[in-house]
Amino acid sequence: AQTVTQSQPEMSVQEAETVTLSCTYDTSENNYYLFWYKQPPSRQMILVIRQEAYKQQNATENRFSVNFQKAAKSFSLKISDSQLGDTAMYFCAFMAPNTNAGKSTFGDGTTLTVKP
Amino acid sequence: GAVVSQHPSWVICKSGTSVKIECRSLDFQATTMFWYRQFPKQSLMLMATSNEGSKATYEQGVEKDKFLINHASLTLSTLTVTSAHPEDSSFYICSARDTGRGGLETQYFGPGTRLLVL
Repeated sequence: AQTVTQSQPEMSVQEAETVTLSCTYDTSENNYYLFWYKQPPSRQMILVIRQEAYKQQNATENRFSVNFQKAAKSFSLKISDSQLGDTAMYFCAFMAPNTNAGKSTFGDGTTLTVKP
Repeated sequence: GAVVSQHPSWVICKSGTSVKIECRSLDFQATTMFWYRQFPKQSLMLMATSNEGSKATYEQGVEKDKFLINHASLTLSTLTVTSAHPEDSSFYICSARDTGRGGLETQYFGPGTRLLVL
């Protein structure tokens, strides 16, 4: 069974600074995807970034980038130039498309507060 | 990104009544949808996997007779909470599995439904 661990329940960062959220996972699968989702106070889950395990290049989406270390089973999210709207709960998720009916396994989440 | 709608966004009902929640994928077909329950400041708890044209698969500990799931078409799944009780009050979220966009797998989430049972 897959597990996803987010070791930082809460974090804070000053506006315009950079913050990194940690995520580790455990799996025996070779084909899988990793995701970061953002859940703001509205509670709408929003896809932030996705990484395919077969890709060595780290995914980036504007101010969001990941550090994917496959051997270490680590998948951290870096938010650059933090904005007040980045305040949210962030979930790391794992999904192996060919097993477990495509279910995702979520971490417990990290609550990020961006301070003005 | 893809859009998934969920209706209603919030509902208040009396104990003993049934409540139906709809989840629709608006711009893609989803043979698989997922239903989650979430308590405040906690992670998503998977309740069941909804499969178009077949029976839903429930996670351990989830009562299938209480949480009825119907996946009637490739764009619609419904969750009915039968004989609701106050302990069923929660935030329910659906997601739709998108497998078709360039072969990239993604789950897209609905906005959630807040259920309050009095």
